[in-house]
This record gives sequence, structure tokens and C-alpha cells, in this order.
Amino acid sequence: TQLLEQSPQFLSIQEGENLTVYCNSSSVFSSLQWYRQEPGEGPVLLVTVVTGGEVKKLKRLTFQFGDARKDSSLHITAAQPGDTGLYLCAGEESGTYKYIFGTGTRLKVLA
Amino acid sequence: KAGVTQTPRYLIKTRGQQVTLSCSPISGHRSVSWYQQTPGQGLQFLFEYFSETQRNKGNFPGRFSGRQFSNSRSEMNVSTLELGDSALYLCATSIDTAYEQYFGPGTRLTVT
Repeated sequence: TQLLEQSPQFLSIQEGENLTVYCNSSSVFSSLQWYRQEPGEGPVLLVTVVTGGEVKKLKRLTFQFGDARKDSSLHITAAQPGDTGLYLCAGEESGTYKYIFGTGTRLKVLA
Repeated sequence: KAGVTQTPRYLIKTRGQQVTLSCSPISGHRSVSWYQQTPGQGLQFLFEYFSETQRNKGNFPGRFSGRQFSNSRSEMNVSTLELGDSALYLCATSIDTAYEQYFGPGTRLTVT
């Protein structure tokens, strides 16, 4: 059973466009992280959100944690080719030590 | 501060052989997790070690095993390799629980 579903699975957009990636679950998470992975490398941590309703900004990236701590979104403004990669959400299910990764969203930004 | 290191980076093995992969965590990190990543299955959790004890285990056969040493370094072993074991094996470490994991570059294993 996949506890963290991401949508869309694939996204191909032109440079300068905006996009939003969603990460949804029926479970509550103590915290949630977003990672970006480039081919042949390990995922790199982008941000951690902890509090329900929390919004964090990292340059052109905006991350939001749902009020009930069951979902999150990543919004990219004016996407650039350097944003290309696999975006993964992940989190520790509340009350367990289980760290779960989402299904992933593969983003390609065309110049 | 040095990052997570994994050795070797690339490995080619024959079906039926066994392999040992190594992971050295960031200084101070006591939790080490291992993942298998393939194009078809995505990132799949193998197991997590904390203070030399396996704390969590994914749904992989017993051919996959691991251990953690007193200095938090970890090894992963796969015995009787199968073609389907070809994958990128990632190690991730964190300070305590499986929170904010930092990944190594991975070991690309090819089984022929």
C-alpha cells in the first residue's frame, strides 16, 4: 500500500511557466520533506514542513503542509531548465518510525 | 562537514554471486536507512538501523541483509544475486529518527 501519492506523475512544461505538485495521504505525518533527485544521484533535501498549514518559501519554490498534516504541495514559479528532476515527498508516519517516500513527480522544463 | 559516502559507486556482478555495499554517515548521524531504486518500482525502503539495531524493515526477501557498526557505518549485503536486483542502492542518514534524511550518491549495481 502506497501511503503517499504524488500527482502528476510526469510534467513537461516550458521555461517560465508555473506548476504545482501534490502529495496526498490518508495518514497523518509528523513532518514532511520534499526532495529533488537528478539522474544517477541521491535525492537532495529541499525543505521540511512540520506544522499544519505551514508555508515555506525557497526562492521560486513554495511548499505548503496541509492543515491536517495529511497532504502537501510544491509550487514552482517561473520554472527554469535547472528545475528539471524527480521530486519526491516523504515523511514519518505519526506514531511510527516508518519513513515513507511518495511515488514521485518527474518534471522536465524545456528551454 | 563531509556528506554521506557510499562505496563502491558502480558494481557489476553475475547472477548467483553476493555483494556488500558500504555507507558512511554524516558525523553525528546515528540512523542509517537503505533504499532500492528502480525505474519501475521507484524508491523502495529496505531497512533502517539505529545504534546498531535494525529498527525497521521493508518487504524484501531474506537475501537482503544489513548491519550497523558502533561508529554508525553500515553495510548492506545481497546474497544469491538475481537479475532483478539490478538497481541504484541508496543510503540515507539522519541524526535520530528517520527525519530529514541525507542521501549518499548511491551504488549502481548491475547483475548480469
